[in-house]
Amino acid sequence: NAGVTQTPKFRILKIGQSMTLQCAQDMNHNYMYWYRQDPGMGLKLIYYSVGAGITDKGEVPNGYNVSRSTTEDFPLRLELAAPSQTSVYFCASSYSGELGDTQYFGPGTRLTVL
Amino acid sequence: LAKTTQPISMDSYEGQEVNITCSHNNIATNDYITWYQQFPSQGPRFIIQGYKTKVTNEVASLFIPADRKSSTLSLPRVSLSDTAVYYCLGNTGGFKTIFGAGTRLFVKA
Repeated sequence: NAGVTQTPKFRILKIGQSMTLQCAQDMNHNYMYWYRQDPGMGLKLIYYSVGAGITDKGEVPNGYNVSRSTTEDFPLRLELAAPSQTSVYFCASSYSGELGDTQYFGPGTRLTVL
Repeated sequence: LAKTTQPISMDSYEGQEVNITCSHNNIATNDYITWYQQFPSQGPRFIIQGYKTKVTNEVASLFIPADRKSSTLSLPRVSLSDTAVYYCLGNTGGFKTIFGAGTRLFVKA
């Protein structure tokens, strides 16, 4: 199993540009998550999904959108990139959202907005 | 949601045992205590989880006292490759999982 994969690894955007961060998992997990991590900080939840066709906002959703058309894929869309969105983005998945459930993380996408 | 408090950073030397204590005074009855490890430029990865008493695996041990208001992650005989950030979570599962700033462990030669 490849686990959780993310593309691209690095990206530089200009202010106002848009892009989609790709995330895929091959573990047949129902739950998927997008986090951002700013330097020296913990992870903040952007959006999550409990299954195909079902998504919901996390702690910091403004400026982002998601979709979940399949169990495997959970892309994150940035519209009108701003310097405040410079961060490392991690995608994660888990089998369920039940107590004790553990999350599996991808390698991350490092995004810089100039 | 269980709020956790852990030291911001710790230093150690190779070969020593490292203990990182986390307090979670308001942990709920059903919450598990979960620890993740994050190496630079990588995503976090699960290392150990427990509910009470002691849990041991090939990576670490987790000690949880009877009142469950704190827990201690123990890393035996650390090496340079154990330099990482360690997160303690009062895990309620799924989207309720909260990652704080974690403890930065720096292992020196």
